[in-house]
Amino acid sequence: GAVVSQHPSWVICKSGTSVKIECRSLDFQATTMFWYRQFPKQSLMLMATSNEGSKATYEQGVEKDKFLINHASLTLSTLTVTSAHPEDSSFYICSARRIGGLAGTYNEQFFGPGTRLTVL
Amino acid sequence: TQLLEQSPQFLSIQEGENLTVYCNSSSVFSSLQWYRQEPGEGPVLLVTVVTGGEVKKLKRLTFQFGDARKDSSLHITAAQPGDTGLYLCAGRAFDMDSNYQLIWGAGTKLIIKP
Repeated sequence: GAVVSQHPSWVICKSGTSVKIECRSLDFQATTMFWYRQFPKQSLMLMATSNEGSKATYEQGVEKDKFLINHASLTLSTLTVTSAHPEDSSFYICSARRIGGLAGTYNEQFFGPGTRLTVL
Repeated sequence: TQLLEQSPQFLSIQEGENLTVYCNSSSVFSSLQWYRQEPGEGPVLLVTVVTGGEVKKLKRLTFQFGDARKDSSLHITAAQPGDTGLYLCAGRAFDMDSNYQLIWGAGTKLIIKP
C-alpha cells in the first residue's frame, strides 16, 4: 500500500497559461500533502504544505497567488501554476502523509513520481 | 533554521569500490531518512533510522545514525552500476502539533562505472 500518483507526469505549455497538477493518495487518506520543487541535480525544495479543508501553508519566498493549492478531499491535492513563465519550468513532486496505527505509530510521507513542467 | 549538510555532492567511482555518503547537522533530529531518486521519478524511501547509534543494513547498503542523532552515514560496499542515482538524506523535525517536516540534504549524485 501507500501509493501516491501524480498527473500529468509531464506537461509542456506556453508562457502565460496555467497548468494544474494533481496529486492523489491511492490507498490511504492524507490530511496533509506536501508540494516540492526540484531543479536538475538538486535536492527537493518544499514549496507548501497542503491541509485538507483549509488553506495551504507556503514556505518563505513561494508566491501563493502564483502557485495555487487546493486540498478539497482526503485523497486529492492540486497545484496550479498560474500564468506560467519559463523560469517556472521544473520538476514538481508531491508527497502525502500517512498517519495511523496504534497511537499514531506510523507517520510517514510517501512521494509521487513527479511532474516535469516545461514552459516555452 | 535547521540545516542538513550532505557530502559529497557528486561521486563517480568504479564498480566494486566502496563509498560513504555523510549527512551532518548541528541540530538533533527525531529520526533521519535516506532516499534514492532516479531521473524523472520521485524519491523512494530506503530506510528510516530512529535511535542514536542505530545501524541498519539493506543488502550492500549500511546506514548509521549518530549517537547524538545529529548525523548519519550511508555506506555502500562493492558498488554496482545499479546503485547509480541521487541519494538524499532527510531529517525529521517535529512542530508544535507533533507533525513533522523533512529537512533535506543537498543530495549526492552517485555514478558507478562498469
